[in-house]
Amino acid sequence: DTGVSQDPRHKITKRGQNVTFRCDPISEHNRLYWYRQTLGQGPEFLTYFQNEAQLEKSRLLSDRFSAERPKGSFSTLEIQRTEQGDSAMYLCASSFPRNGELFFGEGSRLTVL
Amino acid sequence: GENVEQHPSTLSVQEGDSAVIKCTYSDSASNYFPWYKQELGKRPQLIIDIRSNVGEKKDQRIAVTLNKTAKHFSLHITETQPEDSAVYFCAPLGDSGYSTLTFGKGTMLLVSP
Repeated sequence: DTGVSQDPRHKITKRGQNVTFRCDPISEHNRLYWYRQTLGQGPEFLTYFQNEAQLEKSRLLSDRFSAERPKGSFSTLEIQRTEQGDSAMYLCASSFPRNGELFFGEGSRLTVL
Repeated sequence: GENVEQHPSTLSVQEGDSAVIKCTYSDSASNYFPWYKQELGKRPQLIIDIRSNVGEKKDQRIAVTLNKTAKHFSLHITETQPEDSAVYFCAPLGDSGYSTLTFGKGTMLLVSP
């Protein structure tokens, strides 16, 4: 296992289009997180899963955003009707419960034109 | 939710000097206090963490100190090297609100040779 992987690494899209990002966590980790990071800011929490259950969602997560983790392994984050303000790096992380340390992927950079 | 502030936002030191970054938080129930390092274009990675039952933890050239009464914790780097240049984020874990890390805005550390 080489760590958390994310795909695609870069995505350029036009405003109004839908995009989907995929995250494959470290296989033994049952917690999976999505964060968003813009230039000069720290990662902002979006949502997290324990196994297949989505346990928390940030107030930042509008109804255009949806995340799934159907079998408790990989996860997808979909953004519908993208807006220019959605341009950011979308980071996925995984962890063991009660451990605290997050292992981040390299991120998926979204540019909305 | 947790309010997190880091100071300073940028820090420039000469190689060999010490660097200290302070993080203040609002949730008195916070019980886990990590520091993450993010090099340019890379993913955030945990460098050191401390739990609320300990006042200080050291790992070679880096240390973290915690003052729970004043609700702040600090990252100390001694004998800085150019490869320490990065953005450092504190990310306390509160016991209320989201059960995930709330990242500060980051401190850019520049170590000049």
